[in-house]
Amino acid sequence: QQQVKQSPQSLIVQKGGISIINCAYENTAFDYFPWYQQFPGKGPALLIAIRPDVSEKKEGRFTISFNKSAKQFSLHIMDSQPGDSATYFCAASKGGSWGKLQFGAGTQVVVTP
Amino acid sequence: GAVVSQHPSRVICKSGTSVKIECRSLDFQATTMFWYRQFPKQSLMLMATSNEGSKATYEQGVEKDKFLINHASLTLSTLTVTSAHPEDSSFYICSARDLAGGLNEQFFGPGTRLTVL
Repeated sequence: QQQVKQSPQSLIVQKGGISIINCAYENTAFDYFPWYQQFPGKGPALLIAIRPDVSEKKEGRFTISFNKSAKQFSLHIMDSQPGDSATYFCAASKGGSWGKLQFGAGTQVVVTP
Repeated sequence: GAVVSQHPSRVICKSGTSVKIECRSLDFQATTMFWYRQFPKQSLMLMATSNEGSKATYEQGVEKDKFLINHASLTLSTLTVTSAHPEDSSFYICSARDLAGGLNEQFFGPGTRLTVL
């Protein structure tokens, strides 16, 4: 059973546009919500992460919005670039960044020139 | 950031043979390592958690006798797929963390592509 639900499954966005990926969770014990970027044939790399006491976190072109009451969080990629074309996974864990990660199903993002 | 390596990056084997995959933390001591499996176009599924010097903890549905995990040192964990079959073909990824050293995230290896013929 998927503990973290992610949508959409795939996304096509034009260069310069905004990519938005959404995730929802049920377990209120989760206290760490990271986003990972994965290129084909490579392991995932941490992009940005948030804890539930913060509603938004921005790092460069990447922003996480977190809605604790709705149990939802989303990733916004501003000014999307062709190099951002990858699969993005949201995840959640109990016990902070050291806990066991439960991954969403992933979103394949394609940024067209 | 901290670096985690895996070896080999790709392996092809015949059905019934055993395959060993290594996961190394190159510049930190990994008190805990995680092993994941990822099928094509699917998410990462946690297989097991291994702490240095103790037995691995397997997730529900993962056969501990088939997927042997050893974490004998602070920089090396191995996953052995015993009597591999075509359905074991997958992308195996490890991650490592260092609680004692204060690294506040898990670092993932580049993955190992296993193909069982």
